[in-house]
Amino acid sequence: EVQLVQSGAEVKKPGESLKISCKGSGYSFTSYWIGWVRQMPGKGLEWMGMIYPGDSDTRYSPSFQGQVTMSADKSIYTAYLQWSSLKASDTAMYYCARLDVNGMDVWGQGTTVTVSS
Amino acid sequence: SYELTQPPSVSVSPGQTASITCSGDKLGDKYVCWYQQKSGQSPVLVIDQDTKRPSGIPERFSGSNSGNTATLTISGTQAMDEADYYCQAWDSSSSAVFGGGTQLTVL
Repeated sequence: EVQLVQSGAEVKKPGESLKISCKGSGYSFTSYWIGWVRQMPGKGLEWMGMIYPGDSDTRYSPSFQGQVTMSADKSIYTAYLQWSSLKASDTAMYYCARLDVNGMDVWGQGTTVTVSS
Repeated sequence: SYELTQPPSVSVSPGQTASITCSGDKLGDKYVCWYQQKSGQSPVLVIDQDTKRPSGIPERFSGSNSGNTATLTISGTQAMDEADYYCQAWDSSSSAVFGGGTQLTVL
């Protein structure tokens, strides 16, 4: 079964750092882009960017460039999304998704990030 | 930046046809995907490349795209189809763009 399994919910304080993960299984992890999508509470889907685990080529949405860092460790089939200094406005659900041709055909279960003092 | 516009909400009676539109400049020149997101769940791809249904998606889901408008059509809508629906395309800088989402109510 093709699946993406994300790390668990996080509760952090403003200014703290965070790295969440997305582990792929059931397919050739290095052959598909992995995208990251933010969904703030009660809001729609927002594209953050994508990474190609085969060579770590990364493309950020202009809205998130400089705000987050995407990385991947192909040896353990895992992609990461990290923040160096969280803000309250980073509170959201974060999804990873596999990109197939044009669409995102497999999604992780989501990671809830709560940033509060 | 490229924008996709969807109606915030659509209502349909069970068994009827629901149509959800997605508008963008020259959208017909791009491929459009549609995602279904039920409350508390991850999105699911229901239409890929304008008209293609991924494996496991019921035949009542169909898509079209022409001019400036893409449309997701659900024929014989069922209560289980109640969800938020998002359209998605790619802009010229290889960034995905999502529509604002449409809440489908089946009543």
